[in-house]
Amino acid sequence: ETGVTQTPRHLVMGMTNKKSLKCEQHLGHNAMYWYKQSAKKPLELMFVYNFKEQTENNSVPSRFSPECPNSSHLFLHLHTLQPEDSALYLCASSQDTEYNYGYTFGSGTRLTVV
Amino acid sequence: SQQGEEDPQALSIQEGENATMNCSYKTSINNLQWYRQNSGRGLVHLILIRSNEREKHSGRLRVTLDTSKKSSSLLITASRAADTASYFCAFSSDSNYQLIWGAGTKLIIKP
Repeated sequence: ETGVTQTPRHLVMGMTNKKSLKCEQHLGHNAMYWYKQSAKKPLELMFVYNFKEQTENNSVPSRFSPECPNSSHLFLHLHTLQPEDSALYLCASSQDTEYNYGYTFGSGTRLTVV
Repeated sequence: SQQGEEDPQALSIQEGENATMNCSYKTSINNLQWYRQNSGRGLVHLILIRSNEREKHSGRLRVTLDTSKKSSSLLITASRAADTASYFCAFSSDSNYQLIWGAGTKLIIKP
């Protein structure tokens, strides 16, 4: 266990479904991140929250909607996804966004859109 | 682009041999980090080297940084089957706190 917990580990959803991914950390970190990892591509940063405020949205389609109710929890709400959204979704945390001395990652959610 | 580039893309060696992976970048960096990812799981932070450092060690890992060539290497000595994983470099620049990632090197250690 890294201290960052992601649920569920696997998710299969239809294109018309609504689902949510959850990330939780109790490391005392103030920054949390959502990344998308597709095969043979670099990690794609999706969203960044620092002290519960969204500081980055890397041109992510609106069918992905993040939520950060507090510094320990981060959600990614999914709605009307496309098959090309199938990927490993990784959550990470760090002390804060300017403390770039190492991220702690969760184990990821493997998402398959059918 | 700002993306890091890693080579080789894949590396297969015998257990006990040393493995070397390289990372190149195009911008000025604040620090460079290496991560390991076991198949289908999250990334684990291995080592960080600051822009004013040239070499760092952690157990069987040795990282070098050459800022004049804008490159870094990760050496794993006396490899073990458990070292089989993908290895990623990531760096933050002076102007942007975001980590920029390479595409990774897939390392296979054959028993």
